[in-house]
Amino acid sequence: KQEVTQIPAALSVPEGENLVLNCSFTDSAIYNLQWFRQDPGKGLTSLLLIQSSQREQTSGRLNASLDKSSGRSTLYIAASQPGDSATYLCAVIGTSGSRLTFGEGTQLTVNP
Amino acid sequence: DTEVTQTPKHLVMGMTNKKSLKCEQHMGHRAMYWYKQKAKKPPELMFVYSYEKLSINESVPSRFSPECPNSSLLNLHLHALQPEDSALYLCASRDLGRKNTEAFFGQGTRLTVV
Repeated sequence: KQEVTQIPAALSVPEGENLVLNCSFTDSAIYNLQWFRQDPGKGLTSLLLIQSSQREQTSGRLNASLDKSSGRSTLYIAASQPGDSATYLCAVIGTSGSRLTFGEGTQLTVNP
Repeated sequence: DTEVTQTPKHLVMGMTNKKSLKCEQHMGHRAMYWYKQKAKKPPELMFVYSYEKLSINESVPSRFSPECPNSSLLNLHLHALQPEDSALYLCASRDLGRKNTEAFFGQGTRLTVV
Protein backbone atom coordinates (compact mmCIF):
# COMPACT_ATOMS: atom_id res chain seq x y z
CA LYS A 1 0.00 0.00 0.00
CA GLN A 2 1.35 3.41 -1.02
CA GLU A 3 2.16 5.76 1.84
CA VAL A 4 2.97 9.43 1.36
CA THR A 5 4.69 11.56 3.99
CA GLN A 6 5.21 15.31 4.04
CA ILE A 7 7.76 17.17 6.11
CA PRO A 8 7.49 19.57 7.84
CA ALA A 9 3.88 19.49 9.04
CA ALA A 10 3.97 23.25 9.56
CA LEU A 11 6.32 26.03 8.56
CA SER A 12 6.36 29.73 9.41
CA VAL A 13 8.73 32.05 7.54
CA PRO A 14 9.20 35.79 7.01
CA GLU A 15 8.25 37.26 3.67
CA GLY A 16 10.92 37.00 0.99
CA GLU A 17 12.45 33.73 2.13
CA ASN A 18 13.05 30.83 -0.21
CA LEU A 19 11.69 27.57 1.17
CA VAL A 20 11.49 23.85 0.47
CA LEU A 21 8.65 21.46 1.20
CA ASN A 22 9.33 17.74 1.17
CA CYS A 23 7.24 14.78 0.07
CA SER A 24 8.25 11.11 0.19
CA PHE A 25 6.44 7.99 -0.99
CA THR A 26 7.03 4.31 -0.33
CA ASP A 27 6.17 2.72 -3.70
CA SER A 28 8.15 4.05 -6.67
CA ALA A 29 5.70 2.55 -9.20
CA ILE A 30 3.94 5.83 -9.93
CA TYR A 31 2.57 7.50 -13.04
CA ASN A 32 3.01 11.00 -11.70
CA LEU A 33 3.18 13.24 -8.65
CA GLN A 34 1.05 16.33 -8.25
CA TRP A 35 1.42 19.28 -5.88
CA PHE A 36 -1.71 21.10 -4.69
CA ARG A 37 -2.47 24.16 -2.67
CA GLN A 38 -5.48 24.37 -0.35
CA ASP A 39 -6.78 27.52 1.32
CA PRO A 40 -8.88 27.06 4.49
CA GLY A 41 -12.30 25.58 3.74
CA LYS A 42 -11.65 25.55 0.01
CA GLY A 43 -10.97 22.96 -2.66
CA LEU A 44 -7.59 21.92 -4.01
CA THR A 45 -5.78 23.99 -6.62
CA SER A 46 -3.30 22.14 -8.80
CA LEU A 47 0.15 23.74 -8.78
CA LEU A 48 2.42 21.36 -10.64
CA LEU A 49 2.31 17.89 -12.16
CA ILE A 50 5.53 15.92 -12.56
CA GLN A 51 5.37 12.87 -14.77
CA SER A 52 7.30 9.79 -13.67
CA SER A 53 9.80 10.27 -16.51
CA GLN A 54 10.53 13.89 -15.54
CA ARG A 55 12.96 15.25 -12.97
CA GLU A 56 11.66 18.78 -12.63
CA GLN A 57 8.78 21.15 -13.39
CA THR A 58 8.60 24.91 -13.00
CA SER A 59 5.77 27.40 -12.81
CA GLY A 60 6.59 30.98 -11.90
CA ARG A 61 8.17 31.03 -8.44
CA LEU A 62 7.50 27.33 -7.95
CA ASN A 63 9.84 24.50 -8.84
CA ALA A 64 9.10 20.86 -8.14
CA SER A 65 11.59 18.03 -8.43
CA LEU A 66 11.10 14.27 -8.49
CA ASP A 67 13.51 11.47 -7.68
CA LYS A 68 11.38 8.42 -8.32
CA SER A 69 14.03 5.86 -7.40
CA SER A 70 14.43 7.30 -3.91
CA GLY A 71 10.73 8.09 -3.53
CA ARG A 72 11.14 11.82 -3.00
CA SER A 73 9.82 15.10 -4.30
CA THR A 74 10.48 18.66 -3.23
CA LEU A 75 8.53 21.85 -3.85
CA TYR A 76 10.72 24.95 -3.88
CA ILE A 77 9.03 28.32 -3.42
CA ALA A 78 11.16 31.34 -4.24
CA ALA A 79 10.74 34.76 -2.65
CA SER A 80 7.74 33.76 -0.54
CA GLN A 81 4.81 36.16 -0.13
CA PRO A 82 1.99 36.36 2.46
CA GLY A 83 -0.39 35.21 -0.29
CA ASP A 84 1.49 31.91 -0.40
CA SER A 85 0.11 31.05 3.05
CA ALA A 86 -1.91 27.86 2.63
CA THR A 87 -1.66 24.10 3.08
CA TYR A 88 0.42 22.34 0.43
CA LEU A 89 -0.42 18.74 -0.41
CA CYS A 90 1.40 16.26 -2.59
CA ALA A 91 -0.35 13.28 -4.17
CA VAL A 92 0.88 10.34 -6.21
CA ILE A 93 -0.95 8.24 -8.76
CA GLY A 94 0.25 4.67 -8.83
CA THR A 95 0.58 2.51 -11.91
CA SER A 96 -1.95 0.03 -10.51
CA GLY A 97 -4.94 2.27 -11.06
CA SER A 98 -6.56 5.68 -10.78
CA ARG A 99 -6.05 6.18 -7.05
CA LEU A 100 -4.53 9.48 -5.86
CA THR A 101 -2.81 9.01 -2.52
CA PHE A 102 -2.22 12.18 -0.49
CA GLY A 103 0.32 13.18 2.08
CA GLU A 104 -0.76 14.88 5.31
CA GLY A 105 0.19 18.30 3.98
CA THR A 106 2.45 21.17 5.07
CA GLN A 107 0.75 24.23 6.53
CA LEU A 108 2.73 27.26 5.41
CA THR A 109 2.49 30.71 6.97
CA VAL A 110 4.40 33.59 5.38
CA ASN A 111 4.59 36.57 7.72
CA PRO A 112 4.70 40.12 6.34
CA ASP B 1 -12.02 25.15 -19.21
CA THR B 2 -10.43 23.25 -16.33
CA GLU B 3 -13.33 23.62 -13.96
CA VAL B 4 -15.01 21.06 -11.75
CA THR B 5 -18.26 22.47 -10.37
CA GLN B 6 -19.80 21.20 -7.16
CA THR B 7 -23.25 22.05 -5.81
CA PRO B 8 -24.36 22.97 -3.27
CA LYS B 9 -21.45 24.79 -1.62
CA HIS B 10 -22.96 24.29 1.83
CA LEU B 11 -25.49 21.76 3.09
CA VAL B 12 -27.02 21.24 6.51
CA MET B 13 -29.08 18.08 6.93
CA GLY B 14 -30.72 16.14 9.68
CA MET B 15 -29.91 12.52 10.38
CA THR B 16 -33.18 11.36 8.81
CA ASN B 17 -32.90 13.45 5.65
CA LYS B 18 -32.03 12.36 2.13
CA LYS B 19 -29.92 14.74 0.09
CA SER B 20 -27.59 14.63 -2.91
CA LEU B 21 -24.31 16.28 -3.82
CA LYS B 22 -23.63 17.05 -7.44
CA CYS B 23 -20.41 17.34 -9.41
CA GLU B 24 -20.01 18.37 -13.05
CA GLN B 25 -17.08 18.69 -15.46
CA HIS B 26 -16.92 19.34 -19.19
CA MET B 27 -13.28 18.48 -19.84
CA GLY B 28 -14.07 15.06 -21.27
CA HIS B 29 -12.43 13.37 -18.28
CA ARG B 30 -13.46 9.75 -17.85
CA ALA B 31 -12.32 9.30 -14.24
CA MET B 32 -14.28 11.01 -11.49
CA TYR B 33 -13.65 10.87 -7.76
CA TRP B 34 -15.32 11.55 -4.44
CA TYR B 35 -13.12 12.45 -1.49
CA LYS B 36 -14.03 13.26 2.11
CA GLN B 37 -11.90 15.71 4.06
CA LYS B 38 -12.04 16.41 7.79
CA ALA B 39 -10.49 19.53 9.30
CA LYS B 40 -6.69 19.60 9.15
CA LYS B 41 -6.54 16.18 7.49
CA PRO B 42 -5.76 15.18 3.90
CA PRO B 43 -8.56 14.11 1.55
CA GLU B 44 -9.63 10.49 1.97
CA LEU B 45 -10.69 8.60 -1.11
CA MET B 46 -14.28 7.32 -1.11
CA PHE B 47 -15.16 6.31 -4.68
CA VAL B 48 -13.69 6.31 -8.18
CA TYR B 49 -15.65 6.01 -11.40
CA SER B 50 -13.78 5.04 -14.57
CA TYR B 51 -15.72 5.24 -17.85
CA GLU B 52 -18.94 5.69 -15.83
CA LYS B 53 -18.40 2.44 -13.93
CA LEU B 54 -17.55 2.21 -10.25
CA SER B 55 -13.93 1.06 -10.10
CA ILE B 56 -12.97 1.79 -6.49
CA ASN B 57 -15.12 1.77 -3.35
CA GLU B 58 -13.01 2.33 -0.25
CA SER B 59 -15.38 0.36 2.00
CA VAL B 60 -17.61 3.39 2.39
CA PRO B 61 -20.81 2.88 4.49
CA SER B 62 -23.95 2.28 2.44
CA ARG B 63 -25.49 5.53 3.67
CA PHE B 64 -23.30 7.08 0.95
CA SER B 65 -24.42 6.03 -2.53
CA PRO B 66 -22.54 7.26 -5.60
CA GLU B 67 -24.01 7.55 -9.07
CA CYS B 68 -22.48 8.46 -12.42
CA PRO B 69 -25.39 9.08 -14.83
CA ASN B 70 -23.10 10.19 -17.68
CA SER B 71 -19.50 11.09 -18.40
CA SER B 72 -19.92 14.69 -17.18
CA LEU B 73 -21.89 14.15 -13.97
CA LEU B 74 -21.22 12.54 -10.64
CA ASN B 75 -23.67 12.43 -7.76
CA LEU B 76 -23.34 11.38 -4.15
CA HIS B 77 -26.64 10.42 -2.53
CA LEU B 78 -26.79 10.78 1.24
CA HIS B 79 -29.22 9.04 3.58
CA ALA B 80 -29.36 8.56 7.35
CA LEU B 81 -26.02 10.23 7.94
CA GLN B 82 -24.35 10.60 11.32
CA PRO B 83 -22.87 13.78 12.83
CA GLU B 84 -19.37 12.34 12.28
CA ASP B 85 -20.06 12.44 8.53
CA SER B 86 -19.84 16.23 8.69
CA ALA B 87 -16.89 17.18 6.47
CA LEU B 88 -15.84 18.84 3.22
CA TYR B 89 -16.75 16.59 0.28
CA LEU B 90 -14.53 17.05 -2.73
CA CYS B 91 -15.06 15.91 -6.30
CA ALA B 92 -12.20 15.50 -8.77
CA SER B 93 -11.78 14.46 -12.38
CA ARG B 94 -8.92 13.22 -14.52
CA ASP B 95 -8.36 12.24 -18.12
CA LEU B 96 -7.92 8.49 -18.64
CA GLY B 97 -6.86 8.75 -22.26
CA ARG B 98 -3.23 9.25 -21.28
CA LYS B 99 -1.31 7.96 -18.28
CA ASN B 100 0.27 11.14 -17.01
CA THR B 101 -2.64 13.48 -16.54
CA GLU B 102 -3.48 16.11 -14.00
CA ALA B 103 -6.35 15.78 -11.52
CA PHE B 104 -8.67 18.75 -11.07
CA PHE B 105 -10.71 19.34 -7.95
CA GLY B 106 -13.89 21.24 -7.29
CA GLN B 107 -14.36 23.73 -4.46
CA GLY B 108 -16.17 21.19 -2.35
CA THR B 109 -19.46 20.91 -0.49
CA ARG B 110 -19.30 21.70 3.21
CA LEU B 111 -21.70 19.20 4.81
CA THR B 112 -23.01 19.55 8.36
CA VAL B 113 -25.13 16.75 9.82
CA VAL B 114 -27.25 17.79 12.80
